[in-house]
Amino acid sequence: EAQVTQNPRYLITVTGKKLTVTCSQNMNHEYMSWYRQDPGLGLRQIYYSMNVEVTDKGDVPEGYKVSRKEKRNFPLILESPSPNQTSLYFCASSLHRRGTEAFFGQGTRLTVV
Amino acid sequence: DAKTTQPPSMDCAEGRAANLPCNHSTISGNEYVYWYRQIHSQGPQYIIHGLKNNETNEMASLIITEDRKSSTLILPHATLRDTAVYYCIAYLSGNTPLVFGKGTRLSVIA
Repeated sequence: EAQVTQNPRYLITVTGKKLTVTCSQNMNHEYMSWYRQDPGLGLRQIYYSMNVEVTDKGDVPEGYKVSRKEKRNFPLILESPSPNQTSLYFCASSLHRRGTEAFFGQGTRLTVV
Repeated sequence: DAKTTQPPSMDCAEGRAANLPCNHSTISGNEYVYWYRQIHSQGPQYIIHGLKNNETNEMASLIITEDRKSSTLILPHATLRDTAVYYCIAYLSGNTPLVFGKGTRLSVIA
């Protein structure tokens, strides 16, 4: 089954404690991205990757890092989480470049206290 | 990407057709119209997209006006599981990310 898998689904952490949210897709998609969703602000793109070892900033990249060492994986790294990064995070992938029939993961609800 | 305008909410009776409108009066000739939906904090789900012609798939139909300034997503027989926020996106492939607006919250009522 074609899918994008994020882990963990829920995470509560403390300010400053580094964390990684994993994302994996099984569709051999080139393009992957991370979004965060906040009430009243909608979905905003954090980072995206057009292929292995190619990443770039989206609209709200501050406080986040990503890597793309393999085609299937695109982890989101918060080096020093802060409470304003409390949000619902989604990973997405698509066959070609941005957008176009994107497949989204089920989401990771992160709370930073 | 062209800005889209959707009503904030709509109701539909179960079993009836749900017709969700979208205005995109500034859409350019090579921008596609995409529809996604998001069911209660799950990841957005792709529904359908089109450029000029009407499109149909197993989930829905997309009707685009001849001048391309507006479109309608049709769910032919809405069920309770179609209750979701529906996003209409005018998208120029390859240059910018998908920009999700506020969408239309569709409530399907038994």
